[in-house]
Amino acid sequence: GENVEQHPSTLSVQEGDSAVIKCTYSDSASNYFPWYKQELGKRPQLIIDIRSNVGEKKDQRIAVTLNKTAKHFSLHITETQPEDSAVYFCAASLVNTGNQFYFGTGTSLTVIP
Amino acid sequence: DVKVTQSSRYLVKRTGEKVFLECVQDMDHENMFWYRQDPGLGLRLIYFSYDVKMKEKGDIPEGYSVSREKKERFSLILESASTNQTSMYLCASSLFQFSYEQYFGPGTRLTVT
Repeated sequence: GENVEQHPSTLSVQEGDSAVIKCTYSDSASNYFPWYKQELGKRPQLIIDIRSNVGEKKDQRIAVTLNKTAKHFSLHITETQPEDSAVYFCAASLVNTGNQFYFGTGTSLTVIP
Repeated sequence: DVKVTQSSRYLVKRTGEKVFLECVQDMDHENMFWYRQDPGLGLRLIYFSYDVKMKEKGDIPEGYSVSREKKERFSLILESASTNQTSMYLCASSLFQFSYEQYFGPGTRLTVT
C-alpha cells in the first residue's frame, strides 16, 4: 500500500516568516493530495488540496506544490501568523470508490509572535 | 454545512468491555471512515465503508469491527477493549462524486483502564 512520510515533525518560525512542510509518497498511482490543519482540541480541517494534473495551487498565504516525478509535495505558508500554529497533516490518495487517504505523521507548527 | 457528530467526546472503559463508538453524518455521504490518532503516528485508518453494509479494512483493523446499517451512521466496535486501544478516535465522511474532501467529527477520547 501507499506510504507517506512527512517532515519535519516539529517546526518553529517567527511571525512573518515562511514555513515549509514536505511529504513524500511511494505509490506513483496516487492522484489526490490534501493538507489538513488540526488546531489544539479541534477536528482536522482541509486547508488546501492538489490533484496530480496540477503542479502548484495557491490560496492566499498557502500554497502546495507537487512533483510527480520525485513523488513529493510540499505545503508553503507565507507571512505566518500566530493563528497558523497547529498540527498539519499531508495525505495521499488514489481516488476510487472508497477514497482511502494515507496520512503523514503530522507537523506541529509553532509561530512565535 | 456538513455535520459529522460522534456519540461521545470522552469515554472511559475497563479492559475486556465491549465498546461502541457511533458516528453520524447529515449530508448523505457515501463514504465513511474510522481513524485513530496517536501522538507521532498521525491518523491511521481502521475501517472504511463506501456504501450501506459494505466495509473495507484499513491499515490497523485488528481488534476492531464496524457496522453500517444506515447510510448516515457508521459504528466502530471494540469487541474486547484493551489498554493499547486507548486513543483518540476520529470519524470522517466524504461525498465521492464531486469532492474528495473528508469531513471529520470532533473525536472521541477513549481511555481503557
